[in-house]
Amino acid sequence: KAGVTQTPRYLIKTRGQQVTLSCSPISGHRSVSWYQQTPGQGLQFLFEYFSETQRNKGNFPGRFSGRQFSNSRSEMNVSTLELGDSALYLCASSFGAGTGTFYTYEQYFGPGTRLTVT
Amino acid sequence: GENVEQHPSTLSVQEGDSAVIKCTYSDSASNYFPWYKQELGKGPQLIIDIRSNVGEKKDQRIAVTLNKTAKHFSLHITETQPEDSAVYFCAASGPSNTGKLIFGQGTTLQVKP
Repeated sequence: KAGVTQTPRYLIKTRGQQVTLSCSPISGHRSVSWYQQTPGQGLQFLFEYFSETQRNKGNFPGRFSGRQFSNSRSEMNVSTLELGDSALYLCASSFGAGTGTFYTYEQYFGPGTRLTVT
Repeated sequence: GENVEQHPSTLSVQEGDSAVIKCTYSDSASNYFPWYKQELGKGPQLIIDIRSNVGEKKDQRIAVTLNKTAKHFSLHITETQPEDSAVYFCAASGPSNTGKLIFGQGTTLQVKP
């Protein structure tokens, strides 16, 4: 079974630009979560999508947005890039569950996209 | 707010020794506690997890224990090998039915041959 794939693996952008990152989950998984990893702040939750709906959002500014397509692939977008947005962006794939199911499924991470903002 | 504290931040052991990493969580509603191993240049890899209805779980050289009352959970690695060297993260589940995990700050484990 193929794992989680993320593209591109590396990106260099300039302040003020915008960027779109892509994540393809494990086949059959319907939930995709995004995390930002930095040396100072560690792993921080950005948002989660399940069946094309954003189900939870972390404490990040509105410049960070995402979406999920009907095939469960997800994209995240960062507009008006700042130097502090330089980080490893990770997506995690999970089987997920519908409303009313109080069960957290295992999450499997992709290799990440390394974003450098200059 | 939601928080996970992880200790120690660095751990150096001799090959063959045991290593223990400890975490404390704040949200009593958390019911799922995974552990991840991250090697340089890679994404975190799920190595073991435990749910709130279980006190202990073991998988070969790795074990995890959970004390719900104290809101503590720990990772135990026995007979450490150089390939165990990596950064280890603990996490606790956020609101039920969502994919949110709250991560600890990580422990850099070095196993000396």
